[in-house]
Amino acid sequence: QVRLQESGPRLVRPSETLSLTCTASGDSMSSSSWSWIRRPPGKGLEWIGYLHSDGTTSYRPSLQSRVVISLDTSKSQVSLTLTSVTAADTAVYYCARLGASMTFFDTWGQGILVTVS
Amino acid sequence: YVLTQPPSVSVAPGQTATITCEGNNIGRKGVSWYQQRPGQAPVLIVYRDGVRPSGISERFSGSNSGNTAALTISRVEDGDEADYSCQVWDSDGDPFWVFGGGTKLTVL
Repeated sequence: QVRLQESGPRLVRPSETLSLTCTASGDSMSSSSWSWIRRPPGKGLEWIGYLHSDGTTSYRPSLQSRVVISLDTSKSQVSLTLTSVTAADTAVYYCARLGASMTFFDTWGQGILVTVS
Repeated sequence: YVLTQPPSVSVAPGQTATITCEGNNIGRKGVSWYQQRPGQAPVLIVYRDGVRPSGISERFSGSNSGNTAALTISRVEDGDEADYSCQVWDSDGDPFWVFGGGTKLTVL
């Protein structure tokens, strides 16, 4: 059974770059597709972007100019980079694996709270 | 594409809870539901409207028609107290994956 764990700085200064990694155990990350999702305080879940197993990516339009999702197969890690952050980027960030049909998320990490301040 | 859920639902133990998720012609899309207990990772409990992943209790069931999808939890237990979110994949959307605002289920 795959387990996902997010890691990275929990405090980021405004205008700087947020960088998170998601480490998977029990799964070959190169054979699956992955997403990053966040939940701002008091709000619902918000999809950020995804990385297909074939290497293609797609991002939320409102974040597209600031976000990159990449895969390091040697480390079994998927990374999220979000530049020029503001207080509005404060949220719990989750990585999640897409299910076989690519329409839902079948495994999630515990999440990491990142505060921009 | 917008999904609307009630912010909260309350139910007594042993009773049945129904959480709705409204969206334009949502019945034409596949709906997934996630359970998230405080401090824990979200867990997929229903996908493709009404399919339960392995290990999910049969007390959880889903339906979807017209403009409303619903998650039904029968014989509610204290451990069911959590936040529940619906989600669809919108092939014409941008973004593709859309979540509802979440519903806090309180077990009285």
